[in-house]
Amino acid sequence: YLVTQPPSVSVAPGKTATITCGGDSIGIKNVHWYQQKAGQAPVAVMSHGGDRPSGIPERFSGSKSGNTATLTIGRVEAGDEADYYCQVWDTNSDSYVFGTGTKVTVL
Amino acid sequence: QGQLVESGGGVVQPGGSLRLSCAGSGLIFSTYGMYWVRQAPGKGPEWVALISYDGWNEYYAASVKGRFTISRDNSKNMLFLQMDSLRDDDTALYYCAKDDRPGWGGAFEIWGQGTMVTVSS
Repeated sequence: YLVTQPPSVSVAPGKTATITCGGDSIGIKNVHWYQQKAGQAPVAVMSHGGDRPSGIPERFSGSKSGNTATLTIGRVEAGDEADYYCQVWDTNSDSYVFGTGTKVTVL
Repeated sequence: QGQLVESGGGVVQPGGSLRLSCAGSGLIFSTYGMYWVRQAPGKGPEWVALISYDGWNEYYAASVKGRFTISRDNSKNMLFLQMDSLRDDDTALYYCAKDDRPGWGGAFEIWGQGTMVTVSS
């Protein structure tokens, strides 16, 4: 199962960043999103498509439909600059797959 | 929310073995699926293995199947990864992680800080 993400997204402070994750019928799968800052372990920022883990700001939202899942970061701050990975549990192969990752740069 | 701490990493020659451990504290360990994830230098995370809350179900990435074995001891809040027949491309930072819901297929809610494994002659 292949999951693809754009390599990079650039956004100005205060604007909205949209990160996509493409995969076959991803809209019906368990999709999760992680933020990873340099030298740190990944942190879950969105689970099960649209659930925000405890402590994650409301500026983060998620959705999925068809062959695309989306993580949206509203009112982007400098501290949001990081690599973002989507993750899918593929029931066909009983395996997790991570996306290729998107580097978010705050201009 | 709890903490996970990995140990056991190090430098090993190709073909060698290593056993990683992950100690859980401050969390309900025994009712959640647990995972190993690795990240090679400069690369994204790669899921390695999962084990169900009771240890009855195990699943592995194709890249490690037949060489790695995941296990757990719920009485001690411990997770393990036995790695045999190690190869150069197993070199990575290895994380353990906990599911956010009972069962598996969920998000990795809690991560350790990782233990480094280097396979080199």
